[in-house]
Amino acid sequence: TQLLEQSPQFLSIQEGENLTVYCNSSSVFSSLQWYRQEPGEGPVLLVTVVTGGEVKKLKRLTFQFGDARKDSSLHITAAQPGDTGLYLCGGMSGGSNYKLTFGKGTLLTVNP
Amino acid sequence: GAGVSQTPSNKVTEKGKYVELRCDPISGHTALYWYRQSLGQGPEFLIYFQGTGAADDSGLPNDRFFAVRPEGSVSTLKIQRTERGDSAVYLCASSLGGRTPEQFFGPGTRLTVL
Repeated sequence: TQLLEQSPQFLSIQEGENLTVYCNSSSVFSSLQWYRQEPGEGPVLLVTVVTGGEVKKLKRLTFQFGDARKDSSLHITAAQPGDTGLYLCGGMSGGSNYKLTFGKGTLLTVNP
Repeated sequence: GAGVSQTPSNKVTEKGKYVELRCDPISGHTALYWYRQSLGQGPEFLIYFQGTGAADDSGLPNDRFFAVRPEGSVSTLKIQRTERGDSAVYLCASSLGGRTPEQFFGPGTRLTVL
């Protein structure tokens, strides 16, 4: 069974700080997706990465996919209170192009 | 365009009762997924539809859970003889299908079994 671990589980920082959260597995992913989820809402897709070593940027968010496609990171520059939420990574592997396996997420709080 | 919609947003029921949860996917999306999210956990895969058929129902916990998608659009997740352990947020997602991996989620239905 594929296990996807996210760290840290909780992160509380001040507005303006930088942060990185991680998503790791022993399995190789065909694709990996990052979502942000706010309380009472469904996950909102931020980015999809598919190529080892790939880097994608979304405003102040930078996503990196590991060369071996087993891990990924999300770096946020100059965090803002609006970045607060649960960050989830979900990966597809084992030849599946539909079943997402998620980690438990990183709960980020950005204090003004 | 409209995103994935789910009804009801909240459902409170008593142990042993039957419930139905509805999902309306994004127009034109052929693939539909159900996930379950318990408190403090990420979403857990339940079932995947491609068109009208359930292509993979390996995530359904037991035979009390069943889902249909009779016309290849709206889907209903049905839970019989509900148990307190079924309490969770049930999320629906849809995608274009094929080799497109991006899945778009609805707001979820929060099910509470008393």
